[in-house]
This record gives sequence, C-alpha cells and structure tokens, in this order.
Amino acid sequence: GAVVSQHPSRVICKSGTSVKIECRSLDFQATTMFWYRQFPKQSLMLMATSNEGSKATYEQGVEKDKFLINHASLTLSTLTVTSAHPEDSSFYICSARRRAAGPDTQYFGPGTRLTVL
Amino acid sequence: GDSVTQMEGPVTLSEEAFLTINCTYTATGYPSLFWYVQYPGEGLQLLLKATKADDKGSNKGFEATYRKETTSFHLEKGSVQVSDSAVYFCALIPYQAGTALIFGKGTTLSVSS
Repeated sequence: GAVVSQHPSRVICKSGTSVKIECRSLDFQATTMFWYRQFPKQSLMLMATSNEGSKATYEQGVEKDKFLINHASLTLSTLTVTSAHPEDSSFYICSARRRAAGPDTQYFGPGTRLTVL
Repeated sequence: GDSVTQMEGPVTLSEEAFLTINCTYTATGYPSLFWYVQYPGEGLQLLLKATKADDKGSNKGFEATYRKETTSFHLEKGSVQVSDSAVYFCALIPYQAGTALIFGKGTTLSVSS
C-alpha cells in the first residue's frame, strides 16, 4: 500500500524558534498534499493544500507567513512553523493524493506532535 | 458550509458487542462519504467509503450505508474485538469542490475483554 511518512514524530521547541516538519510519500508520487491540524478531542482542520511546483492554498484564518509550506517535489512537502508560540502546540498531520488516483484517494502520515514551551 | 457531525465519545464496549457510531452530514449535492480509523500512535487509515446514495461500504467486518434521505452514514460492526479500539472519523469530500476531506470530531472506541 501507499506509505506516507512524517518527520519528526515529536518535537519540543522554545517559543520564538522555527520548526520544520517533513511529509514524504515513500512509494508513490503525490501531486497534492494536504496539511491538517488536530486539537485534542477535536476534528482535523485543513490548513492548506499544496500542489507540487506551485504555491500552497491556505484555508481562511491560517496565517501563510506563519505556516510556510513548500512542495518542492512529487514526494516531499514541508511545513515550517515560524516563530512558534505555545498556542501553536498541536498535532500536525499531512496527507498525500496519489498521482492519477481519484480525488477521494488520500494517504495519511502518522502525524507530528509539536510542543512549544 | 459542508460539515460532518458524529456522536460524542468515548464509546466503551465489551468484546463481541454490537457497535454503532452515528454520523450525519450537511452538504450540497452528492458528497463522497468515508470512515477513517486512527489506531494509537498511527496515522489515519481509510476504513471504508461510499460514493453514491444507497452504496454500502464494508471492510474488516465494519459497514456503513450512504443514506441520502437521512443524510447519514452510520458505522456498524456486529461483534467488536479489543483490536478495534481506536478513534473513528467520519468524513466527506464535497461534490465538485476539490479534494480536501471534511472531518467529524472523531469518536473514541474502547473495547475490553
């Protein structure tokens, strides 16, 4: 099956620092990757949609200057949380849509737990 | 806008009990409907899906039927196992509105032996 990895799985950082999270499709090419944020006991909220080679499309209310997304290749997308603050602490999950697959075929990474002190 | 509402958890059952997790949706047109499962420490996995009215999705003993008249997609399993303990998410993709999933809040299922 299609595998999506995320790195790191957990990260703890000091307030004001930047953190980069990688999302990789290991055995397929992903034309589209999605970044979600999950709060405790709440749903996954879509943050942005990332298409290879183009700028990410951010959802309303998501600061694009704070959450930098780069989709440089068909197998890698990165989310950088800039100048992180405690309120950015959350579980970040990416998903990837396989090239030539239907719009309902997404594969999820295991998530990254970010804790900002 | 489009949304998904699923029953609050946690749901606690004994092994071999019958499981129902309710899910209703609000959407224009004909969305595709999904159930995802998240086991402890793992990513979301697609459990089953249905893309049109009256379709029944099934997998691993779980099933759900796309009911347009009641805008529902309830998840059922006749006999749960301890290994089914996980968080279950109902989700939809709006018809002709891009490919991002819209999720419910998730329902935690805990099965004891």
